[in-house]
Formats: sequence, C-alpha cells, structure tokens
Amino acid sequence: SQQGEEDPQALSIQEGENATMNCSYKTSINNLQWYRQNSGRGLVHLILIRSNEREKHSGRLRVTLDTSKKSSSLLITASRAADTASYFCATDEIYNQGGKLIFGQGTELSVKP
Amino acid sequence: KAGVTQTPRYLIKTRGQQVTLSCSPISGHRSVSWYQQTPGQGLQFLFEYFSETQRNKGNFPGRFSGRQFSNSRSEMNVSTLELGDSALYLCASSPRRFNEKLFFGSGTQLSVL
Repeated sequence: SQQGEEDPQALSIQEGENATMNCSYKTSINNLQWYRQNSGRGLVHLILIRSNEREKHSGRLRVTLDTSKKSSSLLITASRAADTASYFCATDEIYNQGGKLIFGQGTELSVKP
Repeated sequence: KAGVTQTPRYLIKTRGQQVTLSCSPISGHRSVSWYQQTPGQGLQFLFEYFSETQRNKGNFPGRFSGRQFSNSRSEMNVSTLELGDSALYLCASSPRRFNEKLFFGSGTQLSVL
C-alpha cells in the first residue's frame, strides 16, 4: 500500500489529558499535514509542517517531524470532548506530479467528559 | 466565502448503473481533487484537476473519470457500478498549484446495491 501508517488506531482518554498520535510514511516529502474528520463528514486541515521544519505549534496542537525516521507525531494538549474525531496525517511526496496527498489510515480519538 | 459544496449528499444506485457526482470549490480555488474513503482502504486519491487539466490520477480503473469546467466546478463519473464502489467520495479544493491545505466538502455517500 502507498499509504502511511498511524498508531494507535484508536485512543481513548479523559478530558484534560494529552493525546499523542504517530504517523510513519515511506518516501521523501515536501510537507506533512494533519487533518481531522468528524464522523462521516469532510476533513478539516489542522496544521502543515514542511520537510525542513522539525516542530510546529498551533494553539493546543504540537507537531514534530523526523525526516530521518520518516515519522511525525501530533500532540493535542488539554483535550476536550469536542476533540473526539478521527485524525489523519497526509504527505505531499517529493516526486508528486501534483495535487495528490497520501493519507494514513487514521487514529480514532475518543475524549470522555 | 462559501465552503466546498458537494452534491448529492447521499446516493443509492444498483450494480451496472452509472453515477455523476458534483463539486463546487471555494470561489477562486483552481485546484480540485477527489478522494474515495472506505473502511477497508481508507482515503485513496482518485484524480486532481487544475485549470481544467488533469494533473494526476490515482490507481483506479477507467470506469472512474472526471472533468473540470472553466468555472472550476468539477464532476466525477463512475460507470458500470460495482458493489465495491460503495464509499464516501470527498472533493477538496485548493487555491494554489502546490499541495498545501486542502479544503474538503462534506462528501457524497454512495451506496451500490
């Protein structure tokens, strides 16, 4: 499969706890992005990190990228019930002819109030 | 600005029929891409159009086709439907040529009976 892998596949935490999701990919990339999907709906872009960046923050989100290990992690701090969703990483491969992102299989996050 | 609009939201077809799905991107966005999402295969890239030209195509049979009009609206067509074509079909638009920050529609849920 061309797709990257994410772990864990499912994560259940209490409100206020931190959630960490990991993503591994297979080829050299231009950037890596994280998206959120609420049940049966479209995806919402969360954050983008370029191949020459190692860490990026946006509000309660922290993303790291290790190109030598071809891996990334997404940390959501102080989780809320509203963060319950599926989270996907997506890579823009360096030899991409255009317009194509490779998505991971996703992590299903459940935040219990 | 209005978001990405996909119609119809739900569709039920029988094997052998054909179907056309529509996508209206955000005003000013010239790139439109299509993804198929299934529980087993996850999110898979179908094709992408930029200024009416198909820039990239995923590994799908020729039964899957698409086009983009001069106003950037896009359609995808699936002919001779198979049971395995049942999926959520997502359209995404982007303002630029580069693969950064896709804006997704809510999708069309296609069921093939």
